[in-house]
Amino acid sequence: QSALTQPASVSESPGQSITISCTGSSGDVGTYDLVSWYQQYPGKAPKLMIYEVFKRPSGVSSRFSGSKSGNTASLTISGLQAEDEADYYCCSYAASVTYVFGGGTKVTVL
Amino acid sequence: EVQLAESGGGLVQPGGSLRLSCVASGFTFSSYWMSWLRQPPGKGLEWVANIKHDGSDKYYVESVRGRFTISKDNGKNSLYLQMNSLRAEDTAVYYCARADNHGWNGWGQGTLVTVSS
Repeated sequence: QSALTQPASVSESPGQSITISCTGSSGDVGTYDLVSWYQQYPGKAPKLMIYEVFKRPSGVSSRFSGSKSGNTASLTISGLQAEDEADYYCCSYAASVTYVFGGGTKVTVL
Repeated sequence: EVQLAESGGGLVQPGGSLRLSCVASGFTFSSYWMSWLRQPPGKGLEWVANIKHDGSDKYYVESVRGRFTISKDNGKNSLYLQMNSLRAEDTAVYYCARADNHGWNGWGQGTLVTVSS
């Protein structure tokens, strides 16, 4: 299994929107609508933000949305806020009950 | 509220063994698949192992298969990870997490495992 590819960092001003890409292959993202996204603050446990490509768990802000096209999944954060500054990881099911993560993207709110 | 608390981490020499534990509360533990994931210091997340709700099926990332064993005691609301033949590259914070819809919604605080001589 190869790790999914995410940009190392993304920066934007408050109130703007950003999109984080997550590129995999036909063996994972391209075949399964089972992509999830996690937010992680330094020294803290990850938090589920999106599952099954676009679904939001209860309590997650509607400013977070997910999508997928081909082998690439995306997380969009709209109306960027200071509290959104964190690391974000994508993850995809990869057959035979195995999972692969992206390398993570550091989001900076300017 | 999902609560998970890991324990058992520490410093171990290469080739040694360690057993991690995770106690769950706030949900019906016996109804859920559970997972172990890890994060090397300063690096990204990695899925390590999954176990079916009744413990009947187990799945591992290739790099730990044959060395790590995941297990579950539904009577004690507890998840375990037996780690043998540890290597330097196993150094990481290990998290237990509740598996939900092919994601993990509910994580422990993590326990640090350091493999070093």
